[in-house]
Amino acid sequence: EVQLVESGGGLVKPGGSLRLSCVASGFTFDTYSMNWVRQAPGKGLEWVSSISSSSSYIYYADSLKGRFTISRDNAKNSLYLQMNSLRAEDTAVYYCTRAEWLLRASDSWGLGTLVSVSS
Amino acid sequence: QSALTQPASVSGSPGQSITISCTGTSSDVGGYDYVSWYQQHPGKAPKLMIYDVTNRPSGVSNRFSGSKSGNTASLTISGLQAEDEADYYCSAYSSRSTLFGGGTKLTVL
Repeated sequence: EVQLVESGGGLVKPGGSLRLSCVASGFTFDTYSMNWVRQAPGKGLEWVSSISSSSSYIYYADSLKGRFTISRDNAKNSLYLQMNSLRAEDTAVYYCTRAEWLLRASDSWGLGTLVSVSS
Repeated sequence: QSALTQPASVSGSPGQSITISCTGTSSDVGGYDYVSWYQQHPGKAPKLMIYDVTNRPSGVSNRFSGSKSGNTASLTISGLQAEDEADYYCSAYSSRSTLFGGGTKLTVL
């Protein structure tokens, strides 16, 4: 069974940093692209970032303006999102998702981790 | 990276069919056959219902179908059931990014 388990969310002050992690199991991690998708409270889904299976290709939403960094460790079956200079508008549930093809459909989603940015 | 356009809400009675539209541009929806649809129940993670415009993942009911014409993709749910009441999101590939629609709330009357 495919499992994606996010962690690392929490309450952080504006301007602060957080590092999200996602541990994958139940599939061959290094053959899939991975993504971060977020959802602000009561709002819709927003794509954040994607990384190819070997980390050769990395893409970010323009709105992030270079504040976030996606990475993966295939030896640890793990995906990461380093978030810096956090703003109130970054408050959201962050989902880790799996995709067979980069930037295409996400066929598995984690339960998400909540990031709250507030003073 | 503009969002795709979906109706805010649709409704239908049990047994009826409904269609949710998703409008983009020739650079995303119209340019590639990589449109997907997700169902999200309150408090739950999204679930993939349709990928590559028309394909259903294993385990998804054949009451769900997808199509595309020009820059607009559509999700049709036939034989509406109470359990179909949820939010639905379209998503499309766009060179160097993925776009989502704003979401459509489906109410089963």
